[in-house]
Order: sequence, then structure tokens, then C-alpha cells
Amino acid sequence: GIQVEQSPPDLILQEGANSTLRCNFSDSVNNLQWFHQNPWGQLINLFYIPSGTKQNGRLSATTVATERYSLLYISSSQTTDSGVYFCAVEGVNTGFQKLVFGTGTRLLVSP
Amino acid sequence: EAQVTQNPRYLITVTGKKLTVTCSQNMNHEYMSWYRQDPGLGLRQIYYSMNVEVTDKGDVPEGYKVSRKEKRNFPLILESPSPNQTSLYFCASRSTGAGQPQHFGDGTRLSIL
Repeated sequence: GIQVEQSPPDLILQEGANSTLRCNFSDSVNNLQWFHQNPWGQLINLFYIPSGTKQNGRLSATTVATERYSLLYISSSQTTDSGVYFCAVEGVNTGFQKLVFGTGTRLLVSP
Repeated sequence: EAQVTQNPRYLITVTGKKLTVTCSQNMNHEYMSWYRQDPGLGLRQIYYSMNVEVTDKGDVPEGYKVSRKEKRNFPLILESPSPNQTSLYFCASRSTGAGQPQHFGDGTRLSIL
């Protein structure tokens, strides 16, 4: 099946710093989503981005489907950005029956 | 407001006592699924449903049952829970149209003693 790898696995930032999280996937995808899992365990949908670039406030994401990767940019980080960030994909061959998650990037933003 | 609602959010129970985690969505989505999240193993799919009365196994279906009698509801049933089913569970739904995201509930944290 499709493999999803995220890097870095852990990231520690000072408040106000910028960061880039990367997601590589091993096959063509129909869907790619970025999630933030907050300290209460909730999965917050950040972006639906199978291709192209989107921005939402301090966050933006870019997916280059032909090269099988996606990037999540966090600018001017805040302590509330802490948590785990997941990339998840629906492979072309598996369809939308299953969203395959990466192992996540754990982000800690200190004041 | 479009949402996926899971209940309960938290539950502590004992081995062997049947329990049901409910999931309801108000977006008229055809597709619904269940995932469990465990440390070091990530999120894994338990069961999914393409529409009413159509369900199929995911990657880790052992010990679970589901039903899809109505489009909006997709309950997860643990008929004889065991400690290895202690986990964080998520329900998700999606329209089957092209270019649609999956929507997740807030999660249910189950502890089975």
C-alpha cells in the first residue's frame, strides 16, 4: 500500500519562529489533508490540498503531486501551535476507502 | 454547523462489558469509517461503510462490529472489550464525490481495565 513519511519527527521552536514540515508519499494521491492534533486529542483539519498552494492565516501548504510531497509552513509560531501534525492521503489505487496517515511531526513551541 | 459527533468522549469500563460508541454526521455523507490511534502505531482503520447496509473491514477489524442502518449513523460495537482495545477512536465521514475532504469527530478515549 501507499507509504507516507513525515519529517522531522520532532521539532522544538521558540515562539515567533517559522518552520516547515514535510510529507512524502510513495504513490499518486487523490486527496491529501494536513491535520493538527491538539493536546486534547482532537484532529483539527488544516488543509485539504491534493495539489497546489493554500494559505490560512499564519499557515500555508503546498503539494507537488508530480513529485509526491507536500509542505506545511507555520510562520510566527505561537504556543497554541504545539501538538502533533499529521499528513494523510487517499491513494489513487485504494480510493477514498482509507485515509493513510503519516507518523506525524511533534511540535513544541516554547514561550 | 457541519459536524461528526461521537459519544461518549471518554469511557472507562471493564473487560467483557459490551459497549457501543456512537457516531453521527449531519452532512448527508455516504462514506463513514472508524480509526483507532495508538502510540507508535499511528491511526489505523477498523471498518468503513460506503453507504447504508454496506460495510467492510479495514486493517484492524478483530474484536469490533459495526452497522449502518441509517445514512447518518455508524456505531462501533465492542461486544466483549479487552484491555488491548484501550485506545483513542475516531469516526470520519466523507462525500463520495470527487475532491472532497474527510471530516473527523473529536475522538473517544476508551480505557478497558
